[in-house]
Amino acid sequence: EAQVTQNPRYLITVTGKKLTVTCSQNMNHEYMSWYRQDPGLGLRQIYYSMNVEVTDKGDVPEGYKVSRKEKRNFPLILESPSPNQTSLYFCASSLSGGGDEQYFGPGTRLTVT
Amino acid sequence: QKEVEQDPGPLSVPEGAIVSLNCTYSNSAFQYFMWYRQYSRKGPELLMYTYSSGNKEDGRFTAQVDKSSKYISLFIRDSQPSDSATYLCASAPPGRRALTFGSGTRLQVQP
Repeated sequence: EAQVTQNPRYLITVTGKKLTVTCSQNMNHEYMSWYRQDPGLGLRQIYYSMNVEVTDKGDVPEGYKVSRKEKRNFPLILESPSPNQTSLYFCASSLSGGGDEQYFGPGTRLTVT
Repeated sequence: QKEVEQDPGPLSVPEGAIVSLNCTYSNSAFQYFMWYRQYSRKGPELLMYTYSSGNKEDGRFTAQVDKSSKYISLFIRDSQPSDSATYLCASAPPGRRALTFGSGTRLQVQP
């Protein structure tokens, strides 16, 4: 089954404790992206990747890191999480770009206390 | 000013009603326009996709883009309770490196 998977689905952590949210897709997509979704603000793009080893900042990259060492994986790293990073995070992938149909993962709800 | 503006709702309609959802955008470079539907506790999924101006119809759904007024619309005919969800408009420029979303409109269709 074609899908985007994210882990963990739920995470509660404390300020400053490094964490990684994994994302994997099995559709051989070139493009992958991370979004955060907050009430009233909608989906905002954090980082995206057009291909392996090619990443770029989205609208809200501060406090986040990404890497794309393999085509299928695109982990999101929070080196020192802060409470304002409490949010619902989605990973997405598409064939070749942001304007193609994007397939979203199920989301990761992160709470930073 | 956000590049894509959308009324957050919520919008409540009776079953069978015609629903009109709207967005405005400010970036005249946008060429690709999409509507995503998001059910509660799920990721968004693509509902409609249009390129440049014009209409596109798919079953009960019609997407309309007016580039002269920078206006994006989604019409749902004969709305059903299963249409209850949040609807997100999204746009992308040529090159399609990034997609900009509106904040979403929550729709509730009452049986």
